[in-house]
Amino acid sequence: DVKVTQSSRYLVKRTGEKVFLECVQDMDHENMFWYRQDPGLGLRLIYFSYDVKMKEKGDIPEGYSVSREKKERFSLILESASTNQTSMYLCASSLSSGRVNTEAFFGQGTRLTVV
Amino acid sequence: TQLLEQSPQFLSIQEGENLTVYCNSSSVFSSLQWYRQEPGEGPVLLVTVVTGGEVKKLKRLTFQFGDARKDSSLHITAAQPGDTGLYLCAGDKGRRALTFGSGTRLQVQP
Repeated sequence: DVKVTQSSRYLVKRTGEKVFLECVQDMDHENMFWYRQDPGLGLRLIYFSYDVKMKEKGDIPEGYSVSREKKERFSLILESASTNQTSMYLCASSLSSGRVNTEAFFGQGTRLTVV
Repeated sequence: TQLLEQSPQFLSIQEGENLTVYCNSSSVFSSLQWYRQEPGEGPVLLVTVVTGGEVKKLKRLTFQFGDARKDSSLHITAAQPGDTGLYLCAGDKGRRALTFGSGTRLQVQP
């Protein structure tokens, strides 16, 4: 059974803290993604990675960075958390198939609250 | 600005009713996927449509991709409480990541 695991379901952090969200997949997928989900806005892409150490900015990268040192692990970093980064964060992975998007498998999400 | 607009945003219906959810864009997509997300879970893929005009059926769910590959619809016949969830369309614009729509939250009352 395919699995994407996010390290925390719920997190509460203070403004200005550095926050790490971890994601691990066991499917040997090349592609990994971080989205944030807010009511009425659907899923918005923050960053994605199509290979180890490779990353590309998504639609809303400001205030975030990522790290992919190993194929199975993709980390999202909030350098200095702010209240407007309170959200649900979803990690996903998919197989690479040229430039065609294959099925994305999602983790259960991390609900981050910044106070 | 949302690249993929879904309508309606919310839908509350009685068990047994039919409904249609729309996903519209001004951009052409090479393929389009529909996902369903239940509370506390990540989205799960329902279907992928690739060809303009394509129709796919998944039991009581019918998915259609517009001829120009700019829009799609999801029709549910005789909705059941188990259909409750957030429905998301997602388009493939040829980059390595999907672009998701704004979502339609469906509540089916028994």
